[in-house]
Amino acid sequence: GAGVSQSPRYKVAKRGQDVALRCDPISGHVSLFWYQQALGQGPEFLTYFQNEAQLDKSGLPSDRFFAERPEGSVSTLKIQRTQQEDSAVYLCASSLRRGGVGDTQYFGPGTRLTVL
Amino acid sequence: LAKTTQPISMDSYEGQEVNITCSHNNIATNDYITWYQQFPSQGPRFIIQGYKTKVTNEVASLFIPADRKSSTLSLPRVSLSDTAVYYCLVGDISAGGNNDMRFGAGTRLTVKP
Repeated sequence: GAGVSQSPRYKVAKRGQDVALRCDPISGHVSLFWYQQALGQGPEFLTYFQNEAQLDKSGLPSDRFFAERPEGSVSTLKIQRTQQEDSAVYLCASSLRRGGVGDTQYFGPGTRLTVL
Repeated sequence: LAKTTQPISMDSYEGQEVNITCSHNNIATNDYITWYQQFPSQGPRFIIQGYKTKVTNEVASLFIPADRKSSTLSLPRVSLSDTAVYYCLVGDISAGGNNDMRFGAGTRLTVKP
C-alpha cells in the first residue's frame, strides 16, 4: 500500500514569506508527527496529533509555526514569516496507534525548505 | 529519559559484518531499545526492536547484554546500499505520543567497495 507522502519535496522561500507543507499519512493511522531535521542532525520533534487532536506541540520553535489536521488524516505544517534558520528538512510520520517507541512510525520523504 | 551514546561515524567494506554499539546506562525497567535507519533524502525507517538477549529479523540482529546498559546492532555482510545513518532510541514501549522518540545524531555508516 501507499506510504506517507509529503508535498512539495522541495520549497524555496524568500525570507518573510509564508509556507505550507502537506503530509498525507498512511490511511487509518491514528497518530501523526512532524519533525524538523537540520543538516547532519537527527530528526527533532515538532508536534503530534492523535486523530484531529493536537496533543503535543512542545517542539514548535516559535509561534510562527502552526500545524493542523482538521479531519484526522491530512496534515499541514505552516510557517509564517520564514527566517533563514527555518531552513531544514521537515519530516512527517504516522503510526497506527498512539505513538511512542512501541508503535512503529512510518516516515515520509520529507520537504526540504530553503529560506533565502 | 534514558540517554543514548553512539559513535558518530563508522566505515566498513562490502561483505563485512558491522556492529554498532549504543550505550544507555540509565535505561529503565520498562524501556525497550529500538533502531531506525535513514538513507540520504529519505525519512528514517524502523529496523529492529528488543528488550533483552537477542532479536533477529531479515535485516539485522540486536544483541542486548543482561545488564541492558548497552546494545549492539549487527548488520551481516553489508553492501554499498547499507550506507546510511543508524539511530538508537530507548524508551517505554507503553508510552504513547512523542515520548522517548529522541533520535540524536545517530551513527553514519559508510560502506566502501
